[in-house]
Amino acid sequence: NAGVTQTPKFQVLKTGQSMTLQCAQDMNHEYMSWYRQDPGMGLRLIHYSVGAGITDQGEVPNGYNVSRSTTEDFPLRLLSAAPSQTSVYFCASSSLAARGETQYFGPGTRLLVL
Amino acid sequence: AQSVTQLDSQVPVFEEAPVELRCNYSSSVSVYLFWYVQYPNQGLQLLLKYLSGSTLVKGINGFEAEFNKSQTSFHLRKPSVHISDTAEYFCAVRGSNYQLIWGAGTKLIIKP
Repeated sequence: NAGVTQTPKFQVLKTGQSMTLQCAQDMNHEYMSWYRQDPGMGLRLIHYSVGAGITDQGEVPNGYNVSRSTTEDFPLRLLSAAPSQTSVYFCASSSLAARGETQYFGPGTRLLVL
Repeated sequence: AQSVTQLDSQVPVFEEAPVELRCNYSSSVSVYLFWYVQYPNQGLQLLLKYLSGSTLVKGINGFEAEFNKSQTSFHLRKPSVHISDTAEYFCAVRGSNYQLIWGAGTKLIIKP
């Protein structure tokens, strides 16, 4: 049971490049989400999904796309990277069985956009 | 709109001393409250959560928190900290659509 895995751990991009951050979970969780973490700002929700084929925007969705074709995977796409997207990105998952379910986090991806 | 305020961005404390990390929330619906911990260069993990029942909640690593509805607070405490408690601590409240609303975090700095 690997929990939530994220790849890559670290990435450097040039402005305008695109890339996909990968996230996978093996706990059969319905809910998956992407956050970005910036100093002094806590975690901000980018996109989330409550099941395969269902996604929705969070607090800061601009510049990011997601899809959820399977229960296990929830990739985050940066279409045209900008320096403002330099951040640490976390993927999280949880069961929807109860309203108080714990969110399980991946180890994070550090992204630097030059 | 729901919100979470962590009043201190950093809390320095001597090893083996007690500590309290403060969290206040605003919510117009049923309150589900959480504390998560983030050790350096790692993801977040759950410390404890309040869903209902006893207002004193015990978590991992000797931490506990008390839910105070009248003061809309959910402060985190530990009677004696250890160097291994050095981390950033996040308070969160359950929002709509299964989302968590996060505070800005408090860095706990343990002085030897």
